Amino acid sequence: SQTIHQWPATLVQPVGSPLSLECTVEGTSNPNLYWYRQAAGRGLQLLFYSVGIGQISSEVPQNLSASRPQDRQFILSSKKLLLSDSGFYLCAWSPSGRPSSYNEQFFGPGTRLTVL
Amino acid sequence: AQSVTQPDIHITVSEGASLELRCNYSYGATPYLFWYVQSPGQGLQLLLKYFSGDTLVQGIKGFEAEFKRSQSSFNLRKPSVHWSDAAEYFCAVGASFYDMRFGAGTRLTVKP
Repeated sequence: SQTIHQWPATLVQPVGSPLSLECTVEGTSNPNLYWYRQAAGRGLQLLFYSVGIGQISSEVPQNLSASRPQDRQFILSSKKLLLSDSGFYLCAWSPSGRPSSYNEQFFGPGTRLTVL
Repeated sequence: AQSVTQPDIHITVSEGASLELRCNYSYGATPYLFWYVQSPGQGLQLLLKYFSGDTLVQGIKGFEAEFKRSQSSFNLRKPSVHWSDAAEYFCAVGASFYDMRFGAGTRLTVKP
């Protein structure tokens, strides 16, 4: 079966510091991968998605970036964190190779980021 | 553009009572609809999904949802709520594999 991991689970960082959040998927190949941010009392905002190694699409302009160095690894980064970057970051995957319309997304446990 | 509205930010029900969470969507074509549940500090778990066919969809944990095209709704129901159902529930509409729009969520509190 497929599993998705995120780490760290929680992170407290000072303003201006760098960020690296990691997401890995097991039990599948060539998944579509996603990064979402969830702010308190709001829904999920799609930040990035990837359909393959090195292929990243950005949905929201910001000081965050994403990379996919391996098939099942997705990394969210920042060079300098802002207070507004605080939130709950969720990684998700969906299968590829079948009609994309039918692809539900499966979520990881999330990372709680607090920027002070 | 597609969007999802969950009119109820917070709902409180007594344990054993029935539950209905509302979801309205805006989408020009046939929507792909989902309900997810999120426990505090956790990721989202898929409860059920609707792609086509029977408009009454059964999901996990005893939940069901009914797609009503005329009302642009996809309400989630459960006949008898358990204390473990307390969580946040998100409705989502998918236009493509990456373009999934989520509602703001409804927080469910269950009274003993």
